[in-house]
Order: sequence, then C-alpha cells, then structure tokens
Amino acid sequence: AQSVSQHNHHVILSEAASLELGCNYSYGGTVNLFWYVQYPGQHLQLLLKYFSGDPLVKGIKGFEAEFIKSKFSFNLRKPSVQWSDTAEYFCAGTTIGGNNRLAFGKGNQVVVIP
Amino acid sequence: NAGVMQNPRHLVRRRGQEARLRCSPMKGHSHVYWYRQLPEEGLKFMVYLQKENIIDESGMPKERFSAEFPKEGPSILRIQQVVRGDSAAYFCASSPGTGGNEQYFGPGTRLTVT
Repeated sequence: AQSVSQHNHHVILSEAASLELGCNYSYGGTVNLFWYVQYPGQHLQLLLKYFSGDPLVKGIKGFEAEFIKSKFSFNLRKPSVQWSDTAEYFCAGTTIGGNNRLAFGKGNQVVVIP
Repeated sequence: NAGVMQNPRHLVRRRGQEARLRCSPMKGHSHVYWYRQLPEEGLKFMVYLQKENIIDESGMPKERFSAEFPKEGPSILRIQQVVRGDSAAYFCASSPGTGGNEQYFGPGTRLTVT
C-alpha cells in the first residue's frame, strides 16, 4: 500500500537553528514526492517537489530536500530557520499512473521561537 | 490567475443536516481532488474527478458522501445526514492533468457538526 510517514510531530526550535524533518515513503514503483507547508490560517503551499533527476531538490524560502532511494526517504532541511517558518509541514507522495492522488504524512508542527 | 477557491470557509451543521462544500479549480485546470483532514491527522484522499466524471472515489465513505464536477460550475462535495465524526477540514486541490502534475490547494472548508 502507498503510504508516507513523518516523525516528531511537534518540533520547537530557536531562530537560526537548523531544521530537518524526516519523511519516509512506501511505494512499489516510481514516485513523485512533495513537501507542502501550511502557515497559520492559510492554505497548503508547495515548498518543493521531486519527480526525477538530481536527488537534491531546492525549494522556496531556503528549503531543500534530498531523495534517498535506498532509504525510502525524502527529508526536508533548512540550515537556519526564521520565526516566519512557524507552520505545519506535510510530506506527500504519489506514484506514476496512480491517478495522481496524494498520500500525506501526518505533518510536523514546527514552532520557531524568536 | 486566481487560485483554487472554496466556499464556505466555515460551515456549521447540526446532526442530520446536509453539508454542501464547493470548489472552483484554478483556471485551465480540469482535474479536481478532495481531501479530508481530521484533527491530528494528515490529509486523506477522498475522490478524484474530471469534468462530469468520477475517476477515483476509493477514499470516499460508502454512505452519505457524494461528489460531482459538472460541465459548468464548481465541484461539489455533499455530505448527507452529517454526524459529529464528519467534523473536519475538507480541502480541494486542482491540477491541469495527471502524470505527476503538482496539485494546487484551496483554503479548505472547516465543517463543524454540533
């Protein structure tokens, strides 16, 4: 079955700290992977995506993620967070030919303390 | 280019009433997806529609839930005889096609059943 898992649901850190959020997927075929962010009171926005090619993906707002096929992982990173990065982060995946429906992880609630 | 529109943003219904949630996809998008987010859970796929066709409804509860995407007008998610367990945030997303196209999300409708 297709599934995506995220760990450490609640993360609290100080400004300028580094952030890494784990994401593991379980798929049988070729996957497309995404990280979405939901700022308080707003809708989900795409941070970055991986379809193929370079496994290190650069996204908006200084975020990046690395696709490691051998570990079935797609972890999100940011070297130095800001207070405005306080949000909920969702990892999601879909398989090629799978009607494009997304399977989401449970999300990481990230709070950045000024 | 307007984003995905959903209305209402908040909906309160008493048990047994009907809830109708609307979604207007981005201009040029003919594929609509509905997801439900329960408290402390990630988004769960419900249904995938193209104009006038339900493509995949494997995530829809078997009873009381239905969805449509008519030739003209928004996509509608309809919940009959709502129960407290239907209280959740319902998100709509649209894409221009399949093949791994990213989905653009609306702001969601928060349904509260009293």
